[in-house]
Amino acid sequence: GDSVTQMEGPVTLSEEAFLTINCTYTATGYPSLFWYVQYPGEGLQLLLKATKADDKGSNKGFEATYRKETTSFHLEKGSVQVSDSAVYFCALSDRGNQGGKLIFGQGTELSVKP
Amino acid sequence: DAGVTQSPTHLIKTRGQQVTLRCSPKSGHDTVSWYQQALGQGPQFIFQYYEEEERQRGNFPDRFSGHQFPNYSSELNVNALLLGDSALYLCASSLVQDYGYTFGSGTRLTVV
Repeated sequence: GDSVTQMEGPVTLSEEAFLTINCTYTATGYPSLFWYVQYPGEGLQLLLKATKADDKGSNKGFEATYRKETTSFHLEKGSVQVSDSAVYFCALSDRGNQGGKLIFGQGTELSVKP
Repeated sequence: DAGVTQSPTHLIKTRGQQVTLRCSPKSGHDTVSWYQQALGQGPQFIFQYYEEEERQRGNFPDRFSGHQFPNYSSELNVNALLLGDSALYLCASSLVQDYGYTFGSGTRLTVV
């Protein structure tokens, strides 16, 4: 079945450092890809999404590009802030085959130190 | 505009008991999905409701059941609770034709 694999955490960075969180996926169809963020004690918030190959999703300085050839959707940010500390989840949804359910990776915890 | 509202926020139950969790979707949304998030893990899909019918189901036993009401709100019921059912239960609403899922803050269920 479809699946998502993320790099393991925790990831600890200093403020203003460059961030990359790797995400790869396996899917039989043509999924849409998402990054969600979860702050402590809260639910998930959509960070960005891409619905087809070569699309770039971006929001709040975060970016990710849908790479069909490498089945990847890596999250990047040029300069992280302490307020970016959270758990980040990569997810896919293949509405054609999966009815729209989201399949999540295991999450990557990011800790940004001042 | 209110987002997704879940109640209660925390709950402690004893093994073997039954529990009902509630979800009010974001205004204008017609589809509700439920997810289970164990500590340190990604959310796992339980089921999705649209037009008061279960539209799709994940790999969860029949102890997990749900309902959607005419006003689109939803309930998740879990019978014969096990210790392993302890988790954060997340509700997400959307429009059936859209990928714009909005998540609630979840209900933290602890089974003792």
